[in-house]
Amino acid sequence: IQLTQSPSFLSASVGDTVTITCRASQGINNNLAWYQQKPGEAPSLLISAASTLQSGVPSRFSGSGSGTEFSLTISSLQPEDSATYYCQRLNGYPRPFGPGTKVNIK
Amino acid sequence: EVQLVESGGGLVQPGGSLRLSCVASKFSFSSYWMSWVRQAPGKGLEWVINIRQDGRETHCVDSVKGRFTISRDNADNSLYLQMTSLRVEDTALYYCVRDQNWYFDLWGRGTLVTVSS
Repeated sequence: IQLTQSPSFLSASVGDTVTITCRASQGINNNLAWYQQKPGEAPSLLISAASTLQSGVPSRFSGSGSGTEFSLTISSLQPEDSATYYCQRLNGYPRPFGPGTKVNIK
Repeated sequence: EVQLVESGGGLVQPGGSLRLSCVASKFSFSSYWMSWVRQAPGKGLEWVINIRQDGRETHCVDSVKGRFTISRDNADNSLYLQMTSLRVEDTALYYCVRDQNWYFDLWGRGTLVTVSS
């Protein structure tokens, strides 16, 4: 199973809504998580099971999808959301990550 | 504080070996699967290997089969990664991660492994 993400880079303004797409090479039900990684830091979990928001994560983050196509949406983009976002297939093996989407704040 | 702290990284020649360690604090280490995830400089994340709570089941990515071995000592709250026949492409920051099967929810800060002559 391979994961692809699009776009690989996006630039948006504070307050914008942005969507990142993750596609799996075969169906993975809802076995997908999303992570945020800021420069020099370890990744942190945002969403599990495709759409379950992790405790403490702002509600402007949301996830959706099932099967082969998934999305991460950030509503009302904030300066602190500048980071690279990764999807990951779980509940099976291997557990690949997508290549990442770098989000830049204009 | 609930945390994972890795150690053992360093510079090693191609073909060499290295053993990474990870110590868990303030949670019930023996109750969780654990994984190692790596990140080459300037690159994305790669899941490498994981181990069941009792240490009797492991899984890994094809590129490290036969070269990397994961183990744990639940009495010492410790996770290990024995790496042999190291290649230049194994150069990466190696993260110790708590593996909840549906997500990875606790990450260490990583330890850097550099494979170079």
